Amino acid sequence: AQSVTQLDSQVPVFEEAPVELRCNYSSSVSVYLFWYVQYPNQGLQLLLKYLSGSTLVESINGFEAEFNKSQTSFHLRKPSVHISDTAEYFCAVFTGGGNKLTFGTGTQLKVEL
Amino acid sequence: DVKVTQSSRYLVKRTGEKVFLECVQDMDHENMFWYRQDPGLGLRLIYFSYDVKMKEKGDIPEGYSVSREKKERFSLILESASTNQTSMYLCATEATAYEQYFGPGTRLTVT
Repeated sequence: AQSVTQLDSQVPVFEEAPVELRCNYSSSVSVYLFWYVQYPNQGLQLLLKYLSGSTLVESINGFEAEFNKSQTSFHLRKPSVHISDTAEYFCAVFTGGGNKLTFGTGTQLKVEL
Repeated sequence: DVKVTQSSRYLVKRTGEKVFLECVQDMDHENMFWYRQDPGLGLRLIYFSYDVKMKEKGDIPEGYSVSREKKERFSLILESASTNQTSMYLCATEATAYEQYFGPGTRLTVT
């Protein structure tokens, strides 16, 4: 069975500092990988995804994630965060065998002035 | 833009009541999902549906049932609400390439 691990439940960071949110997955077959973001009092929104091709994927608001097959990781990074990036971030993996998305437990990113 | 709406943002029910949570989508997506979200546990799949009148159990279906009579509507039913079903409930639809679109959620409190 597939699983997703987000080791950090909370990540505090100052505005304009870089940030990395870690995600590791376990699966023996090909995977599709996703990051979703949940702003306060809202549902989840897709931030970025890896399906195939280039292992580095980017979002429109400056986040990027890199698929590392050997380390089974899909860490999310941003070189300079803004106060508006404060949200909860969920990593998710899809494999054909499970035929459904499996979500991590989430990382609360808190950006401070 | 894909729009997924849920009938209530906040709901308070008593133990033993039958509870209906409604989800409606406007994009003609075939796949729809119900999750519950709890702190420290992330999202857990309750039920999903790939077509009208079709349903599949997710990871935690106990105590829940679903109904999908029309393509755009997917209902989650708590037959007899219990306090351990107090949670945030999220509905989602699935477009291409396994992208899921979520509604705003219903925060259910069972007292």
